[in-house]
Amino acid sequence: DTAVSQTPKYLVTQMGNDKSIKCEQNLGHDTMYWYKQDSKKFLKIMFSYNNKELIINETVPNRFSPKSPDKAHLNLHINSLELGDSAVYFCASSQVAEQYFGPGTRLTVT
Amino acid sequence: AQSVSQHNHHVILSEAASLELGCNYSYGGTVNLFWYVQYPGQHLQLLLKYFSGDPLVKGIKGFEAEFIKSKFSFNLRKPSVQWSDTAEYFCAVNENFGNEKLTFGTGTRLTIIP
Repeated sequence: DTAVSQTPKYLVTQMGNDKSIKCEQNLGHDTMYWYKQDSKKFLKIMFSYNNKELIINETVPNRFSPKSPDKAHLNLHINSLELGDSAVYFCASSQVAEQYFGPGTRLTVT
Repeated sequence: AQSVSQHNHHVILSEAASLELGCNYSYGGTVNLFWYVQYPGQHLQLLLKYFSGDPLVKGIKGFEAEFIKSKFSFNLRKPSVQWSDTAEYFCAVNENFGNEKLTFGTGTRLTIIP
């Protein structure tokens, strides 16, 4: 069974569109995260939720809105997509300090 | 703010060579330290971690790392690399307990030549 899953795996869309990426974890973890990996492979945290509550928001543009309907899911909605949003987005979850990552969603904005 | 430095951006080695990848962090308090590996086209996987205790930690696939507090370092080592070790390696630090934010280094691309 996949521990942390994301859909879709690939997402190609045009500038100005709105899109969502979904993340689910079946590990029973309380904390979930979104990371962005840019073209140079640099990984930076965007958001973290603990039991459906936002605990980390790393000065991400407000076009990005995470939503956690329950502690097993953390979705990422992006409004008015820009070229600079092209990246790989990773979801992760943790119970203590060790984080488990999903397979990533490669977003390409044209 | 916490920062993590990986000075080796791209390392190229022949099979059976020994490997050491550097990692330094800036935070002076208690930290948890991690090495993650990202094989081409795949997600990040945990190689090893240090929370406390023996500063020499062993991970999967023959990797180990040594925490040297006085040098703020957590270097990754492997005595004999294989072609399948070709990947991107990330050092990460978590500085606050209860706030599990991971700060990543910029990564080191490792290429093993058969």
